[in-house]
Amino acid sequence: EVQLVQSGAEVKKSGESLKISCQGSGFSFTSYWIGWVRQMPGKGLEWMGSIFPGDSDTKYSPSFQGQVIISADKSISTAYLQWSSLKASDTAMYYCARLTTRSWAYWGQGTRVTVSS
Amino acid sequence: QSVLTQPPSVSGAPGQRVTISCTGSSSNIGAGFEVHWYQQLPGRAPKLLIFGNSNRPSGVPDRFSGSKSGTSASLAITGLQADDEADYYCQSYDNSLSGSDVFGTGTKVTVL
Repeated sequence: EVQLVQSGAEVKKSGESLKISCQGSGFSFTSYWIGWVRQMPGKGLEWMGSIFPGDSDTKYSPSFQGQVIISADKSISTAYLQWSSLKASDTAMYYCARLTTRSWAYWGQGTRVTVSS
Repeated sequence: QSVLTQPPSVSGAPGQRVTISCTGSSSNIGAGFEVHWYQQLPGRAPKLLIFGNSNRPSGVPDRFSGSKSGTSASLAITGLQADDEADYYCQSYDNSLSGSDVFGTGTKVTVL
């Protein structure tokens, strides 16, 4: 069974750094793109970027380029999303997802990030 | 702001048919890129409903169907049920700027 399990909720202050994770199981982690999607409170879905763990090829949405870093550790089948300096506007739910049949077919449960100023 | 526009809300009585439009442009849907649809129940992660314009993943009822024409796509729900009440998003690829996946603005379906 394909599963994506994300790390737990985080409460941070503005200016702090953060790295959240998404561990895959039930499939060959190095063979599929893993993406990250933001959902701000009460708002819609926004694609942030994705990574191919097999060769670490990474793509970013222009809206998020330079704002976050997406990485992966294929030895532990885990993808990461990180910030070097959080802002209050980073408060959101973050989902990871796996690309299949050119669509995001499998999703993690989400990681809620709350940033206080 | 998203480059794929959806109506904010649609509603229907149980058993009725509702449709949700997804309007794009020549750099995404009109360029031939596929459209996918997701259902997000309250407090839950999104779930793939339709892929490749009109294909249903295993387990998705045939009450859900998708179509695409020109620069737009549509999701139809027939035999509306109470547990269809959710947010629905279209998604495609946009080749403007450096190219990226894009989601629609989202549509809240209310079952009256």
